[in-house]
Amino acid sequence: AQRVTQPEKLLSVFKGAPVELKCNYSYSGSPELFWYVQYSRQRLQLLLRHISRESIKGFTADLNKGETSFHLKKPFAQEEDSAMYYCALITGNQFYFGTGTSLTVIP
Amino acid sequence: GAVVSQHPSWVICKSGTSVKIECRSLDFQATTMFWYRQFPKQSLMLMATSNEGSKATYEQGVEKDKFLINHASLTLSTLTVTSAHPEDSSFYICSAILRTGRNGYTFGSGTRLTVV
Repeated sequence: AQRVTQPEKLLSVFKGAPVELKCNYSYSGSPELFWYVQYSRQRLQLLLRHISRESIKGFTADLNKGETSFHLKKPFAQEEDSAMYYCALITGNQFYFGTGTSLTVIP
Repeated sequence: GAVVSQHPSWVICKSGTSVKIECRSLDFQATTMFWYRQFPKQSLMLMATSNEGSKATYEQGVEKDKFLINHASLTLSTLTVTSAHPEDSSFYICSAILRTGRNGYTFGSGTRLTVV
């Protein structure tokens, strides 16, 4: 069963506009959720994790257990935010990744 | 920061040949490494967990005789795709657990394998 769902494969927004990348998960226990980002020709890297409740590069993500969601948000998109974003759920040592959302920020 | 170096970044091989992919932890010891595969437009899927000094643990549906994993040292794990076929063409990526730091996992840059 698909543990992590990212419904949008492609997302385009204008520079300065708010952006939200959706992520829904399926897990009965206490989830540990991450957002990873892959910029063009670079390796996959951690963007943020829900337990630290931090904001990285202006991005935030709130875990909503009622809706089983972990959407990634940024109030004002920048061109350098264009990248591939993966939502991930970890259970034990196993990652479950979403299929990714390709974000394009239009100048 | 801790880096996992994966080599090669891309490889093209003929059907029936074997290809070895290396994953090295450059400035830390990785007792456990993970190998993932990603087909186009699909999620990263865990193939196996590689433990230093012991046999790898394969996920269901992954052929252990086809995808040979060796983790002979604390800094190197290798994945060998044996008798490769075009359907093995994929993006392979390794990951290692860090024991300290906020990022518990770090990823290699991936290997794009094309079997012709």
